[in-house]
Amino acid sequence: EAGVTQFPSHSVIEKGQTVTLRCDPISGHDNLYWYRRVMGKEIKFLLHFVKESKQDESGMPNNRFLAERTGGTYSTLKVQPAELEDSGVYFCASSDLAGAGNEQFFGPGTRLTVL
Amino acid sequence: LAKTTQPISMDSYEGQEVNITCSHNNIATNDYITWYQQFPSQGPRFIIQGYKTKVTNEVASLFIPADRKSSTLSLPRVSLSDTAVYYCLVRETNYGGSQGNLIFGKGTKLSVKP
Repeated sequence: EAGVTQFPSHSVIEKGQTVTLRCDPISGHDNLYWYRRVMGKEIKFLLHFVKESKQDESGMPNNRFLAERTGGTYSTLKVQPAELEDSGVYFCASSDLAGAGNEQFFGPGTRLTVL
Repeated sequence: LAKTTQPISMDSYEGQEVNITCSHNNIATNDYITWYQQFPSQGPRFIIQGYKTKVTNEVASLFIPADRKSSTLSLPRVSLSDTAVYYCLVRETNYGGSQGNLIFGKGTKLSVKP
């Protein structure tokens, strides 16, 4: 079974540009999460999809970030326009709805560098 | 929201048993305790999860005392490949029984030496 995949693995852009990160969850997983770690800080939750609906987007830093999951399969996270403080590693995770025992499976992350 | 406190780093030798204790003094009744492992340039990987007493799987054991204000991850006979950062997380249960979001702390950096 393929794990969670993320694309690209690394992106370097200039301040003011737009970047779109993609996450492909494990097939059949309804839950999809985005997290990020900025330099030297902890991994922080951004938002949670259940299928195509946003269950919780309390962690989204501001309106420059837009996450979508059309069709309830893969998800994209767009940053527009990117700022220097957006640099970091963006992780995606997925889980099924198995209840108390379900675990989140993480992708390898996308490293975003904003110059 | 419950917070966790764990050692910043630990060193061990190959073959030893490693115990990493995490404190979560304000854990709520419906919170689960979850541990993740992370290698450099990879996403966190689930190790084990428990609610009370002891949980064991093929890679680790998790000991949770009755008051649930702390938990101990036990890694038997560590090898060099166990060098990683280990995160203790308290995970809320949402209405309906589904798991809530993960709140990561700073983690414990474990270094295993030959």
